[in-house]
Amino acid sequence: RKEVEQDPGPFNVPEGATVAFNCTYSNSASQSFFWYRQDCRKEPKLLMSVYSSGNEDGRFTAQLNRASQYISLLIRDSKLSDSATYLCVVNSLSHQTGANNLFFGTGTRLTVIP
Amino acid sequence: DADVTQTPRNRITKTGKRIMLECSQTKGHDRMYWYRQDPGLGLRLIYYSFDVKDINKGEISDGYSVSRQAQAKFSLSLESAIPNQTALYFCATSDFSAMGSGRIRETQYFGPGTRLLVL
Repeated sequence: RKEVEQDPGPFNVPEGATVAFNCTYSNSASQSFFWYRQDCRKEPKLLMSVYSSGNEDGRFTAQLNRASQYISLLIRDSKLSDSATYLCVVNSLSHQTGANNLFFGTGTRLTVIP
Repeated sequence: DADVTQTPRNRITKTGKRIMLECSQTKGHDRMYWYRQDPGLGLRLIYYSFDVKDINKGEISDGYSVSRQAQAKFSLSLESAIPNQTALYFCATSDFSAMGSGRIRETQYFGPGTRLLVL
């Protein structure tokens, strides 16, 4: 089972729309969660951390549901510049390495249409 | 200037060749990582280093080796390249800090990536 699972999309939404992505993680002991953004043919960049109480950064809202082991990202008033792939990232104990590592989802692709 | 740089940016090589991918950072971070990214598989950790004297295998280290020459430099080698090592390779650094109760604060900063094609 993958550590982190995301719907790959694509999500095609009109400008101004609200769109939400979900992500599930398998390790109930995971403590830290993040969303990264990756533009086409570019490197991933941190979008926001996800806190237990939920957090907001402008048009972006991240939520964590520990009971169901999922993380969400809500984007309001979508802009053309929001078109990218959004990676769900979880810090978990790796059974392979014995250390805490970041596990990346495969990403959800968003295209905002004019 | 970019904080994390990778060379080369693109490379085509043949099966059996040895190649080295280099990574340099000016962020002053101790922690450095090598990942590969494949369609449908996401980013997977190859090796990581928490300081100059520390090297650790990641999830998929077979067929790879690394060298941490200095705090700022972390290179990845493919001793004998094979076609299934064709991928996009990213180096990253992180500003890790423990916040207590098992929580961490960490931002990983990625280099621009190296596209490797093994024929």
